[in-house]
Amino acid sequence: GDSVTQMEGPVTLSEEACLTINCTYTATGYPSLFWYVQYPGEGLQLLLKATKADDKGSNKGFEATYRKETTSFHLEKGSVQVSDSAVYFCALNRAKAGNMLTFGGGTRLMVKP
Amino acid sequence: DSGVTQTPKHLITATGQRVTLRCSPRSGDLSVYWYQQSLDQGLQFLIQYYNGEERAKGNILERFSAQQFPDLHSELNLSSLELGDSALYFCASSVVSAGSLGTQYFGPGTRLTVL
Repeated sequence: GDSVTQMEGPVTLSEEACLTINCTYTATGYPSLFWYVQYPGEGLQLLLKATKADDKGSNKGFEATYRKETTSFHLEKGSVQVSDSAVYFCALNRAKAGNMLTFGGGTRLMVKP
Repeated sequence: DSGVTQTPKHLITATGQRVTLRCSPRSGDLSVYWYQQSLDQGLQFLIQYYNGEERAKGNILERFSAQQFPDLHSELNLSSLELGDSALYFCASSVVSAGSLGTQYFGPGTRLTVL
C-alpha cells in the first residue's frame, strides 16, 4: 500500500539557518504530494503541494520539488524563523484510490533565537 | 482559518460511553473526511463522505460510524469508548473528491479524552 517516510525529529535549528526535511514515498501511479504544518495547539494547515513530477510547490519561503525518479518531496527553506517552529507532515493522495491522504509520521522543528 | 469548523473543541468522557463529533465543511465543499491523530498511530484516515454518500473507508473501527447530512455537515459517532480511543480527531473538506479541487483543508480538531 501507499506509505510516506519522513526524517525523525526533533530538528533544532538557530534562527536564519537552512532547513531540509526529507520525505520519501511509496505509491503506485502518480500521487499528488503535500506538506502540511501543525502549529502548537492548532489543526493542520496546507503549506504547499505538487501534483505532477518536477512540479515545485512553494509558500511562505518554503519549497519542495516532486522528484519521481527518487520518489521524494523534500521540504526546504533558506532561512528559518522562530515562528516556523511546528510539526511538519508530508502526505500523498491518489485520486484513483479515493482522495484520502496518507501521512508521514511528522517532523518537529524547533527554531531557537 | 481554514473555514472548516469542528465542535466541541475538547471532550472528556468515560470508557463505555458514546460521543458525537461535529464538522461543518467550508462553504461550497461537498466532500468531508475524518482523520484520527494519536501518539502511537500517527495521522490515520477514517472515512470520507461526498455529497451525503460514503465514498471511502480507512482504518475505522466498527464501533465508529459517520454520516453527512443534506446541509453537508458531518458527524462522527464513537461508541463503547476505550482508553485507546483518546486522540485528536480532525475533519477536513474539499470541493470535490479528486483532482486539483480535491485539496483538503482541515479543521482545528476535537481532542477526545477517555478516562
